[in-house]
Formats: sequence, structure tokens, C-alpha cells
Amino acid sequence: DTGVSQNPRHKITKRGQNVTFRCDPISEHNRLYWYRQTLGQGPEFLTYFQNEAQLEKSRLLSDRFSAERPKGSFSTLEIQRTEQGDSAMYLCASSLVLAGTTDTQYFGPGTRLTVL
Amino acid sequence: SQQGEEDPQALSIQEGENATMNCSYKTSINNLQWYRQNSGRGLVHLILIRSNEREKHSGRLRVTLDTSKKSSSLLITASRAADTASYFCATDADSGAGSYQLTFGKGTKLSVIP
Repeated sequence: DTGVSQNPRHKITKRGQNVTFRCDPISEHNRLYWYRQTLGQGPEFLTYFQNEAQLEKSRLLSDRFSAERPKGSFSTLEIQRTEQGDSAMYLCASSLVLAGTTDTQYFGPGTRLTVL
Repeated sequence: SQQGEEDPQALSIQEGENATMNCSYKTSINNLQWYRQNSGRGLVHLILIRSNEREKHSGRLRVTLDTSKKSSSLLITASRAADTASYFCATDADSGAGSYQLTFGKGTKLSVIP
């Protein structure tokens, strides 16, 4: 069990550039979540996937953000035309949801984005 | 928006003492989870307690849940310097779209002094 992995761990970019993050969930998990955490706050939900389908997006996810989970395995989160306000830790989590029952969400180490 | 509110915001204790953190939330939940986060790192899952459970133990951790008061507490016994971290409670409630997204509070920052 390798847990949830995220790459890169750190990303520094200039305002206006596009960035893409990758998340590899625990292999048997059908749910994948993205959260964003700013300094001094708890994580906030962005979006989630059930297998390959993206089923919900938060209001925090502006049209500059896009997430995919092709084939229901790894996921990518892309931010276009980055802004300084996008600077945050982006966390990915996965879980196994069966027959409507929920279970523990396991988090990756996060990708820390700094927009200059 | 953040549903959970941890109390206190910061807690400083001596090694060997017990640490108690509280969490309050607003809406009905399926379960409540506690996570630990070391500075600048990812979240580590500590314990999950379901809405029909009242108390749960895991090693030096004890979690209680009072759904009538919409509150939970996390007790860490015999604290160690390595317990220094931020602790978050997260509630898991169906937002209506079947997401069971976690809603976090702002966390309690625990410092254990050797």
C-alpha cells in the first residue's frame, strides 16, 4: 500500500502561467477528492470524482480550474492563468464508498503552489 | 464554508500531560473524523467515529461524539513532543449530490513542550 501520492510537492510559478498537478489515489479507491488549504485554515472542498465521473464542483472552483480523472485512476488538476490568490496547498484524498456508506478519506502530502 | 469549529485555537502543554480538543459542528453528519497535520505537511488520519457511536479509542487517542450537542472531543493521553501538530475535525455529510465531502474547521494548534 503506497498511499496517496501527489506531484509535484512544490510548484513556484509566475502570475498568468498555467500549472498542472497530479494525484495518484490508493488503487482500490473509487472516490477521489481535491481540496485547497490556505495558511491558518482547514482544507476546503473543491471537487470530487466517482471513478472517472466528476460529480460535484465547489463554488471555489472557478472556470480557470479544471480537473480530470481519465479511466478512473490518477487525477490532474490544472489551473490556467494563475493568480496570486491561487497560492495554497492543494490536497488530494481518496476513499472507498460502497452502497452509499462513507469511509475514511486518506490524504496525500499535497502540492504547495506559490504564484509570484 | 467551514462547519467545524475547534476549540481552543491553540494549546500548549508539558510532555506527559493530557491534551483535550473540542469540535462543534452545525448540521447532521454521517461520521466525524480527526486528522493531524504537521507544519506544511499533508493530513494524517487519526480516527473516524460514526454518528451512531459515542466513544472510540485508538492507542493514546480517545474520541467522543455527542450528536445531540453537535460536538466531539479528542483526548490525547500522555502527550509527547512528537504530538506537536495542528489537529482538525472534519464532518462528513452528504451535500445533496452524494459527495460526502469533508468540511473542516480551522484546527487546534497543539504544542507539547519537552
